Amino acid sequence: DGGITQSPKYLFRKEGQNVTLSCEQNLNHDAMYWYRQDPGQGLRLIYYSQIVNDFQKGDIAEGYSVSREKKESFPLTVTSAQKNPTAFYLCASRDTPNQPQHFGDGTRLSIL
Amino acid sequence: EDKVVQSPLSLVVHEGDTVTLNCSYEVTNFRSLLWYKQEKKAPTFLFMLTSSGIEKKSGRLSSILDKKELFSILNITATQTGDSAIYLCAVDVGGTSYGKLTFGQGTILTVHP
Repeated sequence: DGGITQSPKYLFRKEGQNVTLSCEQNLNHDAMYWYRQDPGQGLRLIYYSQIVNDFQKGDIAEGYSVSREKKESFPLTVTSAQKNPTAFYLCASRDTPNQPQHFGDGTRLSIL
Repeated sequence: EDKVVQSPLSLVVHEGDTVTLNCSYEVTNFRSLLWYKQEKKAPTFLFMLTSSGIEKKSGRLSSILDKKELFSILNITATQTGDSAIYLCAVDVGGTSYGKLTFGQGTILTVHP
């Protein structure tokens, strides 16, 4: 089945540790996105990529990094510089600029 | 700065009621407005609106856009407990590129039996 797979579903981070969230899609979509969701704040854009080997910062990129070495994969690293990483992280992709974004099931990150 | 505001932030109704959710926006480079429903995990797509005054319908849900007054509404008639969810409004600010979505805070809808 075609879709967007995020892993793991739950992740715990220790102080000073970097963690990487996986996002894989088999929809052959060019554009991929990472969002953060906090209670009562909707979704906020972290990074997005429109093509392999290219990506742009969103509204809250500080403390995060990404790579886009393959079309189907867009991993997000939450670095130790992100002081408040506890949130629900959602990955999305879209086929063309006139199509809606579709989302994965998310990763819930917590601090130990 | 692009801004999307939803109201109300939360709403509690009983089965059979009709609800109207609101979304207003101030953005540069508007391309479309989208509505999503989020239950436990992934937001699922409901509607994409690009033109003013044209209602989109799917079963008991409908939505319309007013590009002059910069708002949209989502109506749900004869609500059911399965409609309980967060409803998210987003505006696609695209230009000629793939663009990005700016989301509102969401409306939490609770439908009691």
